[in-house]
Amino acid sequence: NAGVTQTPKFQVLKTGQSMTLQCAQDMNHEYMSWYRQDPGMGLRLIHYSVGAGITDQGEVPNGYNVSRSTTEDFPLRLLSAAPSQTSVYFCASMSRNTIYFGEGSWLTVV
Amino acid sequence: AQSVTQPDIHITVSEGASLELRCNYSYGATPYLFWYVQSPGQGLQLLLKYFSGDTLVQGIKGFEAEFKRSQSSFNLRKPSVHWSDAAEYFCAVGVRDMRFGAGTRLTVKP
Repeated sequence: NAGVTQTPKFQVLKTGQSMTLQCAQDMNHEYMSWYRQDPGMGLRLIHYSVGAGITDQGEVPNGYNVSRSTTEDFPLRLLSAAPSQTSVYFCASMSRNTIYFGEGSWLTVV
Repeated sequence: AQSVTQPDIHITVSEGASLELRCNYSYGATPYLFWYVQSPGQGLQLLLKYFSGDTLVQGIKGFEAEFKRSQSSFNLRKPSVHWSDAAEYFCAVGVRDMRFGAGTRLTVKP
């Protein structure tokens, strides 16, 4: 049982480039979400999904796009990377009362 | 709108002293409530959670938390702090779209 798998773990992007952070879970959870973590700001919710085909915005959705074509996968797309998107990104899936986090993706935009 | 407030950015306690970390939230209904701990460079570890029943919840590492509906609070406590408890602590609240507080950094003095 792999849990929540995020790739890549580390990435450096140039301003204006696009990329996709991959997230997959094998627990058949309906709820999945993406967070970014910045010093002094905790984890902020970017987007979340309550099932395949259903997504919604969180606290800081601008500059990010998501889709949920399957229960297992919830990729996060950066459309045109900006230095302000330098952060640590966590994917999570949730059963009724427990959140499972991926190991994080360290993204630097130069 | 949902929000989570951890009023204390940084707390310093002496080893062996008691600890209380505060968490207040704003949510439309009674949400699920969580406390997580994070050491530098690491992921988040679940300390405890509440979703119904007894309002005093026991967690790992000797931590407990009390849900007070009238105060919209979910404060974390530990009767005797150990040096290894030094870390950052996050309160999280929600049902599907989990929101996190900004965190409280705990320093433990020898």
